[in-house]
Amino acid sequence: DAGITQSPRHKVTETGTPVTLRCHQTENHRYMYWYRQDPGHGLRLIHYSYGVKDTDKGEVSDGYSVSRSKTEDFLLTLESATSSQTSVYFCATWVGRGAQDYTFGSGTRLTVV
Amino acid sequence: SQELEQSPQSLIVQEGKNLTINCTSSKTLYGLYWYKQKYGEGLIFLMMLQKGGEEKSHEKITAKLDEKKQQSSLHITASQPSHAGIYLCGADYTGANSKLTFGKGITLSVRP
Repeated sequence: DAGITQSPRHKVTETGTPVTLRCHQTENHRYMYWYRQDPGHGLRLIHYSYGVKDTDKGEVSDGYSVSRSKTEDFLLTLESATSSQTSVYFCATWVGRGAQDYTFGSGTRLTVV
Repeated sequence: SQELEQSPQSLIVQEGKNLTINCTSSKTLYGLYWYKQKYGEGLIFLMMLQKGGEEKSHEKITAKLDEKKQQSSLHITASQPSHAGIYLCGADYTGANSKLTFGKGITLSVRP
């Protein structure tokens, strides 16, 4: 276990409110990722980071922003939550070239009402 | 992702039976990852394949990557209830391993 902690584990929020999800890792992995998992869509990449302050968009980045000010923390922000953002969000880390497996957190279940 | 198709969508097998699930890519893979997910939990890494024709095994699970590197199969021998869950394949299309594209997953149920 690479020591990934996602917080909160569950959250219910209202439409239009900002929400920030946190991913914290203790293994000093270079790469960090945010995915969302929805029925019928599988896992889709939202944003990822390849170093401190280095981030890039994934396939479903609209409505989301990220920040990585420290190696260990990767924040996902929903600026103004919508019901379509109700999902399970997973953080993952990867140490870098030469490593085979990506390590996933336990997920955050977000409900936007 | 439409680039990566998994089949079947779901599968129910009797305990003790063998089964095979597939992951097909619309383009050449640099690497193919298999993960398992229990309901409500994160993903657990199973295996990673990179070379055409490569085959790897772990306990009763064997994964293969075809020669053209566009299709992978995962075979479970003598299935057990502990094998139940969602199996996802993830593709590295860049060669840099820096991000994965996942299929929609296959839900496996094993009846005792």
